[in-house]
Amino acid sequence: DAGVTQSPTHLIKTRGQQVTLRCSPKSGHDTVSWYQQALGQGPQFIFQYYEEEERQRGNFPDRFSGHQFPNYSSELNVNALLLGDSALYLCASSLSLGVSGYTFGSGTRLTVV
Amino acid sequence: QKEVEQDPGPLSVPEGAIVSLNCTYSNSAFQYFMWYRQYSRKGPELLMYTYSSGNKEDGRFTAQVDKSSKYISLFIRDSQPSDSATYLCAMSDFGNFNKFYFGSGTKLNVKP
Repeated sequence: DAGVTQSPTHLIKTRGQQVTLRCSPKSGHDTVSWYQQALGQGPQFIFQYYEEEERQRGNFPDRFSGHQFPNYSSELNVNALLLGDSALYLCASSLSLGVSGYTFGSGTRLTVV
Repeated sequence: QKEVEQDPGPLSVPEGAIVSLNCTYSNSAFQYFMWYRQYSRKGPELLMYTYSSGNKEDGRFTAQVDKSSKYISLFIRDSQPSDSATYLCAMSDFGNFNKFYFGSGTKLNVKP
């Protein structure tokens, strides 16, 4: 049973560019959450998708947007990249009615130069 | 003030030692408490999950929650070199149990 799959694993972008990160949730999970983890810090909640709608959002600017597809997979888009957007971006899947915690992917390491 | 505070360490212990990892929090609405382990260049892996106050044991791991003090702990008995990783506490409230607030992580090194 595949866990959470994220692509790509690494990415280098230039300031001002746009990036799209992808996530396939664990089989049976219907909710996808995205987190940003800066070096030496804990993950910070960006937003969460359920039934193809953004259900909750953390304290991130509108440059961060997302999408969930009918098969529950999800994309995270970041526009007008800043150097400070360099981080590990984690996707986590869960059950909408479950309280047993997330299953995380291994993340996408984004470097903005 | 951050919602969740965690000592970043690093914490270095000899193999076989008992390890105590702790977090404090400020939001009294938090009801769900989790501990994740994160190896270098990997995503966090769920270790323990606890609802409300009390203790929970799973093998060498024990999680404790003291809601009156807004303090949670993870104890690792008979620590092994393979336990060397960063340990993250996470918590959420009843109305938003799928939105987690993480501590900054404690880096643990278990020396053979």
